[in-house]
Amino acid sequence: AQSVTQLDSQVPVFEEAPVELRCNYSSSVSVYLFWYVQYPNQGLQLLLKYLSGSTLVKGINGFEAEFNKSQTSFHLRKPSVHISDTAEYFCAVIEAAGNKLTFGGGTRVLVKP
Amino acid sequence: EAGVAQSPRYKIIEKRQSVAFWCNPISGHATLYWYQQILGQGPKLLIQFQNNGVVDDSQLPKDRFSAERLKGVDSTLKIQPAKLEDSAVYLCASSQGTGPQTQYFGPGTRLLVL
Repeated sequence: AQSVTQLDSQVPVFEEAPVELRCNYSSSVSVYLFWYVQYPNQGLQLLLKYLSGSTLVKGINGFEAEFNKSQTSFHLRKPSVHISDTAEYFCAVIEAAGNKLTFGGGTRVLVKP
Repeated sequence: EAGVAQSPRYKIIEKRQSVAFWCNPISGHATLYWYQQILGQGPKLLIQFQNNGVVDDSQLPKDRFSAERLKGVDSTLKIQPAKLEDSAVYLCASSQGTGPQTQYFGPGTRLLVL
């Protein structure tokens, strides 16, 4: 069965600074990878996903992530954050032949002015 | 396009009481999911429907939780009787199909069991 580890539970960052959120997964088969964001008092929404092709994936709001198969990682980055990026970010994985999406524990990003 | 609707948004009950949550997915979405999100954790899939059939309910505590999706549209999730550890946010999501589809989430129902 697949699993996801998000190494940082909280990441404080200053406005306009870069941020990287780390995600590692474990699976014995090929996987598809997702990043979802949860703004305060809202449901989760998709930031980006990797299904195939280029390992560098660009998403909404200036976020991007890179799939690294050898390191089983899918880290999320943004070169310059805004106050509005304050939210919780979840990495998730689904096996290629599966139906079940497994989420990591989440990383809370707090952007400070 | 209307999003995923859930009600109620908040619910407080005593342990051993029963509670029900309702979800209306995005129109035309065949797949509906119920997740449990305990504070400080990621969402955990409880049950997944494809139309009105169950695809996966391996993590649903069937002695107290039940869910149905009559007519393959909206769905209800019930807990009876509730335990303290059921305090969580219950998220409903829908997608066009199964597999690596984008899931669209509702705002959730926050349940507190006292």
